[in-house]
Amino acid sequence: AQSVTQLGSHVSVSEGALVLLRCNYSSSVPPYLFWYVQYPNQGLQLLLKYTSAATLVKGINGFEAEFKKSETSFHLTKPSAHMSDAAEYFCAVSYGGATNKLIFGTGTLLAVQP
Amino acid sequence: DAGVIQSPRHEVTEMGQEVTLRCKPISGHDYLFWYRQTMMRGLELLIYFNNNVPIDDSGMPEDRFSAKMPNASFSTLKIQPSEPRDSAVYFCASSHLGQNNEQFFGPGTRLTVL
Repeated sequence: AQSVTQLGSHVSVSEGALVLLRCNYSSSVPPYLFWYVQYPNQGLQLLLKYTSAATLVKGINGFEAEFKKSETSFHLTKPSAHMSDAAEYFCAVSYGGATNKLIFGTGTLLAVQP
Repeated sequence: DAGVIQSPRHEVTEMGQEVTLRCKPISGHDYLFWYRQTMMRGLELLIYFNNNVPIDDSGMPEDRFSAKMPNASFSTLKIQPSEPRDSAVYFCASSHLGQNNEQFFGPGTRLTVL
């Protein structure tokens, strides 16, 4: 069965510091992988997605993620955190096929300190 | 496109009352998902539809919950009777087969059952 593990339910960084949010997946087939962001009192918004093209995926707001098959990881990074990056981030994996169903991780709440 | 539309954005009701949440998916999308988000349980998939047909309702917590999709542009999630433990944010999302399983989320309905 497919699953997603996000290490660290809370991450705190200083403004200008590197952001690293971890995501590991299990999948018996090549997956589709996603990072979503949720700002307070809003819905989930797609940050970026991996769909078996380039392993380094660039998303919105300066975020990027690298698909590493050998490590079954899809970690999210941003070189320099901004106060506006404070939000909850969700990693998700797709079953593929025709279900269009996503399996979400438990989320990581990112705090950015001034 | 206006995106996924949900109504109402906020709902406050008393225990035992019927609650109906509404969703309009993105035009042309053939999948519709209902999620529930709470602090304790995170993001849970309740049910999803494909071409207006319920495919998987295994996440629906109890018989008090029901969902319908009478046509491609409208879905409802009903709770009858409501209980305080149903208090949560309910999200609707839609997607289209062939878009790498990317789901587009609505802004959510914040339900409070007193």
